[in-house]
Amino acid sequence: DVKVTQSSRYLVKRTGEKVFLECVQDMDHENMFWYRQDPGLGLRLIYFSYDVKMKEKGDIPEGYSVSREKKERFSLILESASTNQTSMYLCASRVRNTIYFGEGSWLTVV
Amino acid sequence: AQSVTQLGSHVSVSEGALVLLRCNYSSSVPPYLFWYVQYPNQGLQLLLKYTSAATLVKGINGFEAEFKKSETSFHLTKPSAHMSDAAEYFCAVSDGAQAGTALIFGKGTTLSVSS
Repeated sequence: DVKVTQSSRYLVKRTGEKVFLECVQDMDHENMFWYRQDPGLGLRLIYFSYDVKMKEKGDIPEGYSVSREKKERFSLILESASTNQTSMYLCASRVRNTIYFGEGSWLTVV
Repeated sequence: AQSVTQLGSHVSVSEGALVLLRCNYSSSVPPYLFWYVQYPNQGLQLLLKYTSAATLVKGINGFEAEFKKSETSFHLTKPSAHMSDAAEYFCAVSDGAQAGTALIFGKGTTLSVSS
């Protein structure tokens, strides 16, 4: 079974803090993604990576950055967290034509 | 640009009734289409996918979907709803499996099942 692991399920951070959301996949997938999920808006793509050190902006990259130093790990970084970044963050990785998701990270910024 | 429209943000059915969740897409190339289900406080689980083979696709938990190119639709159905089907369902489209191709999601449909 494909396994995508998001290390933090629930986080509470203060405005202005730097936040790291970590994601690891165990199937040597080249493609990894970060989505944000908000009620009524579905899933929106923040960033994706198709290889180590390669990244592409998605639909809503503002306020976020990413890091992919190793194939199995894709990190989402909030340089200075703001309250409008309170959301559910979903990491995913792709093999051929199927994308597999992690359990999600609930981030609250206060 | 690709897009997905899910008609109806909330669908309610009785247990044993037909489930129909609607999805229309737009894509400039032959699409790959997906349905995912999300239970409370969990990630997304793949229900089924269409990748240009048979137009009627069978998935897990008794769900199926039919790709209709002329209608640009990929509606999800289940003949008889069960209480455990209550969840949020997302339709998604991709324009292929090439490197760097992401899924574009609809806004989701919440399915409620009453006894």
